Amino acid sequence: DQQVKQNSPSLSVQEGRISILNCDYTNSMFDYFLWYKKYPAEGPTFLISISSIKDKNEDGRFTVFLNKSAKHLSLHIVPSQPGDSAVYFCAGGGILTGGGNKLTFGTGTQLKVEL
Amino acid sequence: NAGVMQNPRHLVRRRGQEARLRCSPMKGHSHVYWYRQLPEEGLKFMVYLQKENIIDESGMPKERFSAEFPKEGPSILRIQQVVRGDSAAYFCASSLQGNTEAFFGQGTRLTVV
Repeated sequence: DQQVKQNSPSLSVQEGRISILNCDYTNSMFDYFLWYKKYPAEGPTFLISISSIKDKNEDGRFTVFLNKSAKHLSLHIVPSQPGDSAVYFCAGGGILTGGGNKLTFGTGTQLKVEL
Repeated sequence: NAGVMQNPRHLVRRRGQEARLRCSPMKGHSHVYWYRQLPEEGLKFMVYLQKENIIDESGMPKERFSAEFPKEGPSILRIQQVVRGDSAAYFCASSLQGNTEAFFGQGTRLTVV
C-alpha cells in the first residue's frame, strides 16, 4: 500500500536550471507534507514543508506546490546547484494522538545537478 | 546542541543473533520515531514512542522486533534472532511535542551475514 509515490527514481539537471521533483499521494488525510534531502551514509535532512490547507510555500531557492484535487505536490529548486545533488524524499504527515507525527515516505528521487 | 545520535553506525550480526540499536533524541525532545530503509526503497515507519510509552507500533513486524524508550537513557530498537531480510538502514528521528518537523539521526546500517 504505497500511499506516497515518487515515480521518477532519478533526475538530471544542469547547474543553474530549475529542478522539479514530483510526488503523488493517495491518502487524503495527510495534514501536511514535507521534503527531505538525503546524502549517502547520512540521515534525511528536513528541507521544506507545506500544510494541507496551503497550495504554495517558498523558502529561498526551494518552493513546494500542493495540488490537493490532483493529490500531487512538487518541489522546485531554482537555480539548481551541484550541492543539491542528493536523494529527495517526499513525505506525508499526520498528527497522532499525543501530539506526535507519523511520516509516510515516498521511495525517493535521486537528483544529479551537472556542471 | 547535539543532534539525534544513533549508535552503532554499522552493525554486523550473524543469523540468529540479537541486534540492539540505540537512539538518543535531541535535547528536549520527548518523541522518538524509528524508520527502516530497505535497499532500493523509501523509509518505512516502524514505531513511535514517547517516554515509557509506545504510541504507535503499526509498522513493526509482529515478531522478533521490539522498541522501548525508558525514562532514563536512549531509545532501543531490538531485533531478536535476526535474518538476512533484516539487513537495512534503521533511522531514528525525534521531535518536540506537536512540532511537525522530525530530525533524523545518521542511521544504523545493520548487515546480517
